[in-house]
Amino acid sequence: EAQVTQNPRYLITVTGKKLTVTCSQNMNHEYMSWYRQDPGLGLRQIYYSMNVEVTDKGDVPEGYKVSRKEKRNFPLILESPSPNQTSLYFCASSPDRVETNEKLFFGSGTQLSVL
Amino acid sequence: DQQVKQNSPSLSVQEGRISILNCDYTNSMFDYFLWYKKYPAEGPTFLISISSIKDKNEDGRFTVFLNKSAKHLSLHIVPSQPGDSAVYFCAAKQGGSEKLVFGKGTKLTVNP
Repeated sequence: EAQVTQNPRYLITVTGKKLTVTCSQNMNHEYMSWYRQDPGLGLRQIYYSMNVEVTDKGDVPEGYKVSRKEKRNFPLILESPSPNQTSLYFCASSPDRVETNEKLFFGSGTQLSVL
Repeated sequence: DQQVKQNSPSLSVQEGRISILNCDYTNSMFDYFLWYKKYPAEGPTFLISISSIKDKNEDGRFTVFLNKSAKHLSLHIVPSQPGDSAVYFCAAKQGGSEKLVFGKGTKLTVNP
C-alpha cells in the first residue's frame, strides 16, 4: 500500500531533550516536506526537500533540523525542544517538484507535547 | 501576513444541501489552488485543484470556482453528505515556488 509513515504517533517529552520524528514514504517520491498544524494557524511548512541531499527552509524552520540521506526517509530533528514546539506535525511527499505535481500525500501525523 | 485566508472557522449544513467553503488570497502571483480535506486523526488528503487559467473545475459532487479579480475561490459540495464532515484547507502556490501556502481551515459539519 502506497503511504507516508510517520513515527511515533504521539510523543511527550521534556524541554531540551533531543528527539527525532521519522518519516518514510514507499512511493519513490522526489519531494518531501514537514508541516506543523496549530489551532488557528493552519498548516505551516517547516522544511522541504526536493531530492536526496537537497533541503531548504520553509516558513517556520527555527528550532528544527532535517536530513535527506535516502530518497524514502526525511526525519525531523528537534535538537533542544521547547514548549512552543508542542504541535501536530505532518510529513508529506509528492512524486515530483511541487510546481509540476502539487498533490501532496500526507502521513497521519505526530502529536508532540513538550513539557 | 496571512496570504491565504479562510475566514469561517466552521460551517454547518443539512444533509442534501449545498456546502460552500470560501477562501481569499492576497498574493496575485498565486497561479494554482488546491483544496485538502482532513478527518480527525488522519493526515490531509487532496480533494480538488484549479489552475489560474480556469475559473471552474468540477469533480463529481465537488466544484471549485476561482474569481481572480476578487482573489477569491470557493468549494461547492452538492449534495452534502455526513461523510463530508471534516476540516477543509485551502492552499495556493505561485509558479516557480516549491511552497504550498495553506489557510487555517474550515470545519464542515453535515447534519443527517
